Amino acid sequence: GALVYQYPRRTICKSGTSMRMECQAVGFQATSVAWYRQSPQKTFELIALSTVNSAIKYEQNFTQEKFPISHPNLSFSSMTVLNAYLEDRGLYLCGAYRVRTEVFFGKGTRLTVV
Amino acid sequence: GDSVTQTEGQVTVSESKSLIINCTYSATSIGYPNLFWYVRYPGEGLQLLLKVITAGQKGSSRGFEATYNKEATSFHLQKASVQESDSAVYYCALRVTGNTGKLIFGLGTTLQVQP
Repeated sequence: GALVYQYPRRTICKSGTSMRMECQAVGFQATSVAWYRQSPQKTFELIALSTVNSAIKYEQNFTQEKFPISHPNLSFSSMTVLNAYLEDRGLYLCGAYRVRTEVFFGKGTRLTVV
Repeated sequence: GDSVTQTEGQVTVSESKSLIINCTYSATSIGYPNLFWYVRYPGEGLQLLLKVITAGQKGSSRGFEATYNKEATSFHLQKASVQESDSAVYYCALRVTGNTGKLIFGLGTTLQVQP
């Protein structure tokens, strides 16, 4: 079956520091990977969509300078939250696409900023 | 812009009773939306519950069903008889066709089924 692993599941970082989260697709080739964030009391917002061999497309309000993403192959992606502050806390979800419209989600990385 | 509005907060239903979680959408981008219901069980990731890509059609899975009503711009989730194992957070979502992969989610509705 198709599975998506995310790690770490939970992390705490000090304000102003950075943290990296990873996403691994197992059992299928992830042609695209989407990173979402769910802030407290909000819904999931798309940060960026990364397609292998194409430019990463960031949504409005999210930038590569703040959320650099690496997508080196069809099974792995990572995203870093640089210079994290309180407003960056939340649940970060990775969605790996097997085809353009079929996406599998990981369990998420919960980021706490102290 | 494109948006999804669903029943807010928590819904509590007794086991074997019926359920409806409302969802309406706004899709101002070019194209017709595909509509989805996702579910997140405690400790798990988002899972696709059902999807409908054509207006007027009904999707169903695990006893849940939802009809894509283009006139009312609605996609309400219903189940005739809920079970305790249905307790989870349910998200209505849309994807505008022509937009590669991007999903727009509602705020989520927490379903608590009481035994």
